[in-house]
Amino acid sequence: DAGVIQSPRHEVTEMGQEVTLRCKPISGHNSLFWYRQTMMRGLELLIYFNNNVPIDDSGMPEDRFSAKMPNASFSTLKIQPSEPRDSAVYFCASRDSRHEQFFGPGTRLTVL
Amino acid sequence: TQLLEQSPQFLSIQEGENLTVYCNSSSVFSSLQWYRQEPGEGPVLLVTVVTGGEVKKLKRLTFQFGDARKDSSLHITAAQPGDTGLYLCAGAGFGNEKLTFGTGTRLTIIP
Repeated sequence: DAGVIQSPRHEVTEMGQEVTLRCKPISGHNSLFWYRQTMMRGLELLIYFNNNVPIDDSGMPEDRFSAKMPNASFSTLKIQPSEPRDSAVYFCASRDSRHEQFFGPGTRLTVL
Repeated sequence: TQLLEQSPQFLSIQEGENLTVYCNSSSVFSSLQWYRQEPGEGPVLLVTVVTGGEVKKLKRLTFQFGDARKDSSLHITAAQPGDTGLYLCAGAGFGNEKLTFGTGTRLTIIP
């Protein structure tokens, strides 16, 4: 298995632009998590899905952030409009039946 | 809000030395996991401890879950340069699937 796949690996954009991050979980995993990691705040959970349904989005910073999971093999995290303080590494993770989370390589986002 | 404090925040030691990293909280967790993260990559799960007082060994790494399930420690014996990385503990709540991650310990092993 290729593991969790994220794209793009790096994204540089200007303030006000829309950013879309993509994730393909490991096949057969029923839960998907989006995290954000910064030096100041560490690794924070933004939202997670079970069987494609959003369960807890309490970590989503504000209305500029949205996430979807249209099917079991794909999820997106969108920021519109982006701001410099959104600069971070965004991770997607999927979880197996043993409750172990497997992380993707992350997307490093820089908003200028 | 569940908080997990890790100490030390940074640790730099010589190859061959022993070290211990701590993960503490005032909250009780149903289980606790330890991850290692290398630059440019996502965290990788090392171990999950579930029972209070549980000890698990992974080669030179020894993990312990506190009796009250509020804290944990990671002990590395004879550290190697390959142990370098960011170590994160993560606690799971009861009845939910969310993990709360600790503040992290950045470990550097000097050859």
